[in-house]
Amino acid sequence: SQTIHQWPATLVQPVGSPLSLECTVEGTSNPNLYWYRQAAGRGLQLLFYSIGIGQISSEVPQNLSASRPQDRQFILSSKKLLLSDSGFYLCASLLRSGAENTEAFFGQGTRLTVV
Amino acid sequence: DQQVKQNSPSLSVQEGRISILNCDYTNSMFDYFLWYKKYPAEGPTFLISISSIKDKNEDGRFTVFLNKSAKHLSLHIVPSQPGDSAVYFCAAIVNAGNNRKLIWGLGTSLAVNP
Repeated sequence: SQTIHQWPATLVQPVGSPLSLECTVEGTSNPNLYWYRQAAGRGLQLLFYSIGIGQISSEVPQNLSASRPQDRQFILSSKKLLLSDSGFYLCASLLRSGAENTEAFFGQGTRLTVV
Repeated sequence: DQQVKQNSPSLSVQEGRISILNCDYTNSMFDYFLWYKKYPAEGPTFLISISSIKDKNEDGRFTVFLNKSAKHLSLHIVPSQPGDSAVYFCAAIVNAGNNRKLIWGLGTSLAVNP
């Protein structure tokens, strides 16, 4: 089965500093990859999804960007963090097709606090 | 526009009783639905899924029911255990070729009391 590695687990960054969160996937190829954010007391907000290398779709306008330099690597970045970027970030993987495979796999998340 | 709605933000149930978590959706193009359980500061854990061509799927204590005409699904946990206390998310998948999108509800916090 798939395994999602996401790091770091926790991060405290000052306002205006850059950000790079990395997610890698094992056990599959050509997955769809997703970045979600869960703000305190709220649900999962889809930030970006990618169907392949270099192909990124943004769901909401924001201060963040995403890149997919390799098939099983998905990176979430920011040039200058805002206080509102604080939250719990989750990377997820879903097979691109297949009637039998409906499970999305998640990383353990990154708790980002912008101070 | 919330395409997947979990209208109850919280639910409290006694241990041993049935927990029923509800989810409504608006997009008739959704073809799979999933339920996840999440503890704070952890990634969601997959529980059970159902294809849109079925109306019931059962796995141990978890059963998911789908009513397509009502665009409604529910997760039943029987019997409920204190360890089931967590936030439960309903999600839907819509396919557009290789582009599979996951759409999530806002979650329902379940508390199972001993």
